[in-house]
Amino acid sequence: GEDVEQSLFLSVREGDSSVINCTYTDSSSTYLYWYKQEPGAGLQLLTYIFSNMDMKQDQRLTVLLNKKDKHLSLRIADTQTGDSAIYFCAETYNNDMRFGAGTRLTVKP
Amino acid sequence: EAGVAQSPRYKIIEKRQSVAFWCNPISGHATLYWYQQILGQGPKLLIQFQNNGVVDDSQLPKDRFSAERLKGVDSTLKIQPAKLEDSAVYLCASGATTYNEQFFGPGTRLTVL
Repeated sequence: GEDVEQSLFLSVREGDSSVINCTYTDSSSTYLYWYKQEPGAGLQLLTYIFSNMDMKQDQRLTVLLNKKDKHLSLRIADTQTGDSAIYFCAETYNNDMRFGAGTRLTVKP
Repeated sequence: EAGVAQSPRYKIIEKRQSVAFWCNPISGHATLYWYQQILGQGPKLLIQFQNNGVVDDSQLPKDRFSAERLKGVDSTLKIQPAKLEDSAVYLCASGATTYNEQFFGPGTRLTVL
């Protein structure tokens, strides 16, 4: 496909794990990113992964990369209500950054 | 470290009017980006500057949008005349690192009536 694709919504209970999935477009993308956007705010970089890695862990965040399928996922362990936000997957594409439409994560107490 | 500053935060105009947005990037960041984020979508790159030169403006609707970055620091984005479909949040970002991390400002929400 031509677009970075993400599911639009995800709802989890507080304390559960959240997994947000993304399919990107360019197998030669050097870096892949996860950004978080809270209401009324700009995008905040959560984590990134270099294309020669298949996993990266940073505290509660785990990023998995499957280059063969061009699939990227973000796992948030022990999800908290403060994690409620929109999460964007992004890839570098011809030196530009191409974003998905975002996954709205809702965390229920 | 101060973040990316943008103003105004909100703007409401009527179609065919003109509007300008301002961005002050993080000090020392050579690269500056303007994005358009339509409700329910991810940001779409409009223009990228490296210092005061344009790197990529292929997605900028040049018949009505213009941008400049004088002296390689602050930047302004102008729309003249505005259309209803220009209603969106306009995000400015700056970057300087080797892994292309971009730091985003809070955005300007434009409503065109």
